Amino acid sequence: AAGVIQSPRHLIKEKRETATLKCYPIPRHDTVYWYQQGPGQDPQFLISFYEKMQSDKGSIPDRFSAQQFSDYHSELNMSSLELGDSALYFCASSLEGVFSGNTIYFGEGSWLTVV
Amino acid sequence: AQSVTQLDSQVPVFEEAPVELRCNYSSSVSVYLFWYVQYPNQGLQLLLKYLSGSTLVKGINGFEAEFNKSQTSFHLRKPSVHISDTAEYFCAVSEGAAGNKLTFGGGTRVLVKP
Repeated sequence: AAGVIQSPRHLIKEKRETATLKCYPIPRHDTVYWYQQGPGQDPQFLISFYEKMQSDKGSIPDRFSAQQFSDYHSELNMSSLELGDSALYFCASSLEGVFSGNTIYFGEGSWLTVV
Repeated sequence: AQSVTQLDSQVPVFEEAPVELRCNYSSSVSVYLFWYVQYPNQGLQLLLKYLSGSTLVKGINGFEAEFNKSQTSFHLRKPSVHISDTAEYFCAVSEGAAGNKLTFGGGTRVLVKP
C-alpha cells in the first residue's frame, strides 16, 4: 500500500538559507500535518491543512510557511534557517470528513541539518 | 489544552520478559488515544489506537493497551518482548472533534537485552 512520501530525505543547509520540504500524502487522504522532532525530543505539531486550507496551527515559527496544493501534496518552506531548526520533519496524512479519530499515517521524515 | 505524560523515559527489559509503558493524559474533552513506535532512524508507525468501545485494545506485534478513564491512563503492555522491540514508543492524544492533530508524550525508550 502507498504510504506518505517525503522528499528530500536528507538536507544540509547553512544558516540563513532557505529550505523546502515536500510531502505527498496517501492517495485520497485530504489532510496533511507537519511535525518537527528535535534530537531526543517528541514530535511537535507545526501546522495542518484540510482540503487545501489551513486547519490548525501549532508551534510553527513565523519564518516557516506551508501550503497544500490542488493535488493535495504539501510543501513546508523554511527561511532564515537557524541552527536550532536542525530536526527531523515529519509529514503525516489522514482522511478527515465527518469522522474524527481517523488514523494519522506518518512519512519517514526529512532530516534537516543546519550548519 | 491536552497534554500527555509518559512516566518512564527509558525502560530496560530482558528478552522474553513482559514490559509495561505508562502513559497518562489530561484533557477537558473526550479524547482519542494512540501509541506509536519509532525504530532507529525511521518514521512513526501506529501500534494501536483507542477511539471508543472496549477499553482493552490490541495492536500489532503483540502489543495491547488499556484505556482507564478514571485514571486518565492508557498504558501499553506486551507479555514477552523480542530484541526487535527495541525502539522509542510514543503515546499520543487527539481531541477528535476539536481536530485530529496529535499531542505526543515525551517518549519511552525500550531497550531489550538478550
